[in-house]
Amino acid sequence: GAGVSQTPSNKVTEKGKYVELRCDPISGHTALYWYRQSLGQGPEFLIYFQGTGAADDSGLPNDRFFAVRPEGSVSTLKIQRTERGDSAVYLCASSTGQPGNTIYFGEGSWLTVV
Amino acid sequence: GEDVEQSLFLSVREGDSSVINCTYTDSSSTYLYWYKQEPGAGLQLLTYIFSNMDMKQDQRLTVLLNKKDKHLSLRIADTQTGDSAIYFCAESKGDKIIFGKGTRLHILP
Repeated sequence: GAGVSQTPSNKVTEKGKYVELRCDPISGHTALYWYRQSLGQGPEFLIYFQGTGAADDSGLPNDRFFAVRPEGSVSTLKIQRTERGDSAVYLCASSTGQPGNTIYFGEGSWLTVV
Repeated sequence: GEDVEQSLFLSVREGDSSVINCTYTDSSSTYLYWYKQEPGAGLQLLTYIFSNMDMKQDQRLTVLLNKKDKHLSLRIADTQTGDSAIYFCAESKGDKIIFGKGTRLHILP
């Protein structure tokens, strides 16, 4: 597809379960970002990949959150032992990685922890 | 305080101009952005301005940057019902973008 694709679009899970959220960036984009947006808030930075490596993971809230991008394209955000406070929209974005280049966002994955 | 601050709500009559204001903290930010988010939709980049510019105009949108005061504004001329959305101000910080909490723009008939 032409844009950033995220799956699933909606996920309801029970507290304590493990969740994986997938992001398919725009073809050729080397930079990939994960953000989290809670209700009534702006997007909050989680992690940034340049290629396969996590160039900046300073936004991950704790060690229950982990993200990978093994081949420099698709990325998976993994959340262990989910808590109700993890409920949010998880947004993925990609860009060419050049300074000032537009960052394109996907539609997000809505996660609800019950 | 927050890195990027903006007022939460703005109501404007259809046809009037909307002005959304934002303040940011990082004087080394190279780029400043305005994103639009419609209900249930993703973030759409509206416009951005390089930090060495004072103003940028793009059709109905005008961005003003006061670097000394770290103040950014977005003016939407001839506001239409389709402009109803949340507008996020954002600053570049290294390789990432830091967002404000968003201003909800409500259009009055």
